[in-house]
Amino acid sequence: KNEVEQSPQNLTAQEGEFITINCSYSVGISALHWLQQHPGGGIVSLFMLSSGKKKHGRLIATINIQEKHSSLHITASHPRDSAVYICAVQPSIYGGSQGNLIFGKGTKLSVKP
Amino acid sequence: ETGVTQTPRHLVMGMTNKKSLKCEQHLGHNAMYWYKQSAKKPLELMFVYNFKEQTENNSVPSRFSPECPNSSHLFLHLHTLQPEDSALYLCASSQGVGIGSYEQYFGPGTRLTVT
Repeated sequence: KNEVEQSPQNLTAQEGEFITINCSYSVGISALHWLQQHPGGGIVSLFMLSSGKKKHGRLIATINIQEKHSSLHITASHPRDSAVYICAVQPSIYGGSQGNLIFGKGTKLSVKP
Repeated sequence: ETGVTQTPRHLVMGMTNKKSLKCEQHLGHNAMYWYKQSAKKPLELMFVYNFKEQTENNSVPSRFSPECPNSSHLFLHLHTLQPEDSALYLCASSQGVGIGSYEQYFGPGTRLTVT
């Protein structure tokens, strides 16, 4: 079982819909990252958070440390939001190499016009 | 544009070839990373460099040889690769590693095909 699980694996939505992507993890963390990967490969960091909620434009990320769960929400979705969304966690291992993110497999989102 | 560039963007090589991937970051970061992304699998960390020193080698076969001449440049030298090494290779950089957490900035990747 992967230490970082995302759901759903694939998601198709109509333009304008509200979208939620979930991430659950099993290790103690110092931070959680949401990344976006467009076709062609390049990855962009969307959020890095360790508590609460962050908002950037139409994107909202929340995290519940006690429940080891995070969600990424997209409001008023648009075809240009079509991409793979990847959740990654930074383990809080004292004395360990904390450069090592653990990645989920990603959620492929397709927004239809 | 993330401030991290990679060349080449696409590479086809035979199993007996030797080639190198190049990564450059223009962000003044101190840490650089190589990742491998295969189809249907999560990103896999290969190497981490912090202040030009390798701090992590994630059990990567010796046919992959990293080089970090300075904090802005990172190379991945490839030789006698196998077809299963075909993947997207991503470079990333961050301000640091260690206690706390640093946002990583990714390059566009090199799509490698081994024939």
